Amino acid sequence: DTAVSQTPKYLVTQMGNDKSIKCEQNLGHDTMYWYKQDSKKFLKIMFSYNNKELIINETVPNRFSPKSPDKAHLNLHINSLELGDSAVYFCASSLTDSKDEAFFGQGTRLTVV
Amino acid sequence: AQSVTQPDIHITVSEGASLELRCNYSYGATPYLFWYVQSPGQGLQLLLKYFSGDTLVQGIKGFEAEFKRSQSSFNLRKPSVHWSDAAEYFCAVAETGTYKYIFGTGTRLKVLA
Repeated sequence: DTAVSQTPKYLVTQMGNDKSIKCEQNLGHDTMYWYKQDSKKFLKIMFSYNNKELIINETVPNRFSPKSPDKAHLNLHINSLELGDSAVYFCASSLTDSKDEAFFGQGTRLTVV
Repeated sequence: AQSVTQPDIHITVSEGASLELRCNYSYGATPYLFWYVQSPGQGLQLLLKYFSGDTLVQGIKGFEAEFKRSQSSFNLRKPSVHWSDAAEYFCAVAETGTYKYIFGTGTRLKVLA
């Protein structure tokens, strides 16, 4: 019974396409996050949502649009994909805020060709 | 601004040897500190966390970490490494009331048989 699940696990697409990554958590947590891990394994916050409300947008291009239909789901839509968007995207959740540990999904490896 | 430094990009140890992974943070208040492990192709798994109290924290898989305020450090240790410990290790810092974790750049651990 996966706590934080993301789909798809792998995504290969051409430049200019639009794609979405879905994330769901069944932990009853209030806060969800999107992190980007680059080729050097560096993890950088993109967005965080608390009870469906956007809290952090960390200077992410407008082509990235998160959506949280309810507090158990946080999806990431990316328009006009660029080569530099290739990375592993992790969804995570925490009980209240970041004083609680984050639970991570398995990641989505996005490759833009 | 908050930051986390993991000085060692790669560490190689022999199986059965002891391990210490270094983590230094820059933070004004009392931080919330975490160590995560990432196996290849997987998400991040929490090893242990420190919020307050006893500065020596026990985690899963035989890991422990010691918080030293005077040195702004939170080093991870294990007395005897197993081959299955080979992975990427991340230190992270957070603050209550915020909604993001700041990660270090990671330390890749290789274990020699």
